[in-house]
Amino acid sequence: AQSVTQLDSQVPVFEEAPVELRCNYSSSVSVYLFWYVQYPNQGLQLLLKYLSGSTLVESINGFEAEFNKSQTSFHLRKPSVHISDTAEYFCAVSDKGGGNKLTFGTGTQLKVEL
Amino acid sequence: DGGITQSPKYLFRKEGQNVTLSCEQNLNHDAMYWYRQDPGQGLRLIYYSQIVNDFQKGDIAEGYSVSREKKESFPLTVTSAQKNPTAFYLCASSRPGLAGAYEQYFGPGTRLTVT
Repeated sequence: AQSVTQLDSQVPVFEEAPVELRCNYSSSVSVYLFWYVQYPNQGLQLLLKYLSGSTLVESINGFEAEFNKSQTSFHLRKPSVHISDTAEYFCAVSDKGGGNKLTFGTGTQLKVEL
Repeated sequence: DGGITQSPKYLFRKEGQNVTLSCEQNLNHDAMYWYRQDPGQGLRLIYYSQIVNDFQKGDIAEGYSVSREKKESFPLTVTSAQKNPTAFYLCASSRPGLAGAYEQYFGPGTRLTVT
């Protein structure tokens, strides 16, 4: 069984500052990794994913995440945040070959302030 | 436009009543899921279905039931046996993607309040 840890429940940051949201996972097999974003009272939207190949993956709105197998991490970063990035971010893991179940972390609330 | 529909967005029920939450998708996805979201706990899997007429319990299935009679529909019934039913419920669907990974697509959610 796998698990996901998001140690930071809330991350406040000023607009245009950089941010890193941390995600660590535990699994006995190879994994796929995902970041989802949730705006208030809405469903989750896929932000980016790591399936294979390059360990650095990027989203269309400037976020990036790097898969680090030795540290079992998949931290999410953005060099300059905007007010519109205020949302809750969830890291999720799925076992390769394990079918289609996702295990989610408890989420990190990113609050961007002026 | 393709997507996942959940209705209603807000639902209020009295304790002791069963309630059914609707989830419909027109993405032609084989797999569908139900999650429960509580503050500070992330998403927890209730039930999932990989094909029509088949479904499996997730991590917190007690007090819930589902059916999968059509590919497009996966309704969730919250029964009176669920001890703490007030929560935000999210439905998702998926299809096999690159390298076999299953990306899940989510509906807008139903907020259930039981008093």
